[in-house]
Amino acid sequence: AQSVTQPDIHITVSEGASLELRCNYSYGATPYLFWYVQSPGQGLQLLLKYFSGDTLVQGIKGFEAEFKRSQSSFNLRKPSVHWSDAAEYFCAVSSGGSYIPTFGRGTSLIVHP
Amino acid sequence: EAQVTQNPRYLITVTGKKLTVTCSQNMNHEYMSWYRQDPGLGLRQIYYSMNVEVTDKGDVPEGYKVSRKEKRNFPLILESPSPNQTSLYFCATAGAASSYNEQFFGPGTRLTVL
Repeated sequence: AQSVTQPDIHITVSEGASLELRCNYSYGATPYLFWYVQSPGQGLQLLLKYFSGDTLVQGIKGFEAEFKRSQSSFNLRKPSVHWSDAAEYFCAVSSGGSYIPTFGRGTSLIVHP
Repeated sequence: EAQVTQNPRYLITVTGKKLTVTCSQNMNHEYMSWYRQDPGLGLRQIYYSMNVEVTDKGDVPEGYKVSRKEKRNFPLILESPSPNQTSLYFCATAGAASSYNEQFFGPGTRLTVL
């Protein structure tokens, strides 16, 4: 069965600093990988996704993520965080045949001014 | 505008009083799903539907019912709510164009069962 681990429950960064949120997955075949963001009081919004091809994917709001098969990771990065990036971030994985994603438990990003 | 709507957005009820949370989408998506979100547990899938009249259990279906009589609607029914069903609920949809892999989420329904 597929699983997703987000090892950090909370991450605190200063505005303007770089950000990396970790995501590790467990799945036998090539996974489909996603990062979603949930702003306070909102539903989840897709930031970016990886299906195949270039392992560095660009998303919305200046985010990017890199798929590393050898490390079973799909970490989310942003070079300079803005206060509006404070939110909950979820990593998710699904297979090509099963479109039912498994979500990680989420990482809460706190941004200090 | 493509959207997923949920109603109500907030609901406080009492144990045992039947309730329905509605979910509607205007994207003609085949796949619809319900999740609950609880602190420290992330999102857990309750039920999903691949098309009209086709529904299946997710990870935490106990205490919930769903129906899919129309493609656009996927209501979540709590026949006899209990306090452990106090949670934040999300409806999500996906379509064949993305091979069902990209999900679009509604704004959420915060339910409190007293």
